[in-house]
Amino acid sequence: ETGVTQSPTHLIKTRGQQVTLRCSSQSGHNTVSWYQQALGQGPQFIFQYYREEENGRGNFPPRFSGLQFPNYSSELNVNALELDDSALYLCASSDRGQGINEKLFFGSGTQLSVL
Amino acid sequence: LAKTTQPISMDSYEGQEVNITCSHNNIATNDYITWYQQFPSQGPRFIIQGYKTKVTNEVASLFIPADRKSSTLSLPRVSLSDTAVYYCLVGDIGGSQGNLIFGKGTKLSVKP
Repeated sequence: ETGVTQSPTHLIKTRGQQVTLRCSSQSGHNTVSWYQQALGQGPQFIFQYYREEENGRGNFPPRFSGLQFPNYSSELNVNALELDDSALYLCASSDRGQGINEKLFFGSGTQLSVL
Repeated sequence: LAKTTQPISMDSYEGQEVNITCSHNNIATNDYITWYQQFPSQGPRFIIQGYKTKVTNEVASLFIPADRKSSTLSLPRVSLSDTAVYYCLVGDIGGSQGNLIFGKGTKLSVKP
């Protein structure tokens, strides 16, 4: 168990809808990263939040957005859902204070299906 | 960020030692090498991390040659529960803003 919790575990939406996924980071961690994992692929980096600000972003369109709250929990929002957005969405927390060998601790993910 | 190359799949039997090699020819001076394990429908789990030579923990060993252009994850005496996908990552995690490149990983199948 990593202490990183994600909700919901499963979600079904239709194309064009909006979705919000939630993540509670491990106690003591100040950084949250979000990844998208399609079936049979490795996780792809969406973005990272550090101290409530976006700290880096992967190759994802602006309809993917996020928030980090003062307690370091985070949300991932996806607008105008497309069929290709169907994937496992992973949240990972870390302690930026560890320096360059910072370790990521992943939650079990939210399985999103877009119909 | 350095890209990595690792075998798509490997088969082994219970009790054997498994070595998974990862190539990372463009590794930078500040990059660390990290391995993660992932079971179906779960998030990746940190296994081991190193910078050079050899690192060992209670789960695995990581061998890194002097040129650091490759690394080998060694799993001693695997069991059925070690069946999973193993990812090799290279990056300056703290400086790269979390943008780790996972690749497709190596799917390890352990048979009885």
